[in-house]
Amino acid sequence: DADVTQTPRNRITKTGKRIMLECSQTKGHDRMYWYRQDPGLGLRLIYYSFDVKDINKGEISDGYSVSRQAQAKFSLSLESAIPNQTALYFCATSGTPRNWAQETQYFGPGTRLLVL
Amino acid sequence: EDQVTQSPEALRLQEGESSSLNCSYTVSGLRGLFWYRQDPGKGPEFLFTLYSAGEEKEKERLKATLTKKESFLHITAPKPEDSATYLCAVQEPGGYQKVTFGIGTKLQVIP
Repeated sequence: DADVTQTPRNRITKTGKRIMLECSQTKGHDRMYWYRQDPGLGLRLIYYSFDVKDINKGEISDGYSVSRQAQAKFSLSLESAIPNQTALYFCATSGTPRNWAQETQYFGPGTRLLVL
Repeated sequence: EDQVTQSPEALRLQEGESSSLNCSYTVSGLRGLFWYRQDPGKGPEFLFTLYSAGEEKEKERLKATLTKKESFLHITAPKPEDSATYLCAVQEPGGYQKVTFGIGTKLQVIP
C-alpha cells in the first residue's frame, strides 16, 4: 500500500463551490505539506504543518485553508473555487529532522483539479 | 530572490546515449539538494539527497553530484524507462527550512 494517499485523484467542480482534498500517510511523519503544480511554474508550497497544532502559510495560501485532523491526516480546502485554481495538487510528508535522512519530502500521487 | 534553475528544459536521447542534467541554485545557504523523478500524472519520486560540495550519490544508471552552486544528474546508457521529468529542489537552513523546486528537465529516451 502507498505510504501517502490522496483523495480524490481527480475532481471537476464549478466556480464558487467549496471542495476539500484529503491526504493520509502511514509513514509516521510529523510534517505534512500541500503543494500545487502548474505547467512552467514548478511546485509551489500552499501550507505546511510541523505537527497537529502547528500550521503555517506557504508562498501561495490565498484562497486556501487547511486542517490537520491527526498526525496522519492533512486536508486542503478551497473555500470558493475559481478557475485559476485548476492545477495538480500534491501532499507531501517528511520526518522531524533529528538526522539528515529524515528531511526528505515524500509525495502522494496527486489530485488533478479542474475548476470550470 | 532564491532561485533554482534547471537545464535543459527538455532533452531527447537515443537509448544508450549518456548525458547530464544541470541544476543551478542561488540561495543564502544550502541545507540539502534533492533530486526527484516525476512520471506524467504522478507524484515526484525521491531519488537522492546531497548535502555538501563534492558529494556524489548513485542509483542504477543515475549519478548525482554537487558543487557549491550547482548539481548534475548524470545518466549513463539510458533506457526508455528512464523517460520522465527530473526535478531538483534546494532546502535552506532555518526554522522552516524552505524548499524551492526547479521546473524540471523533461527527458525522453528513444529506443
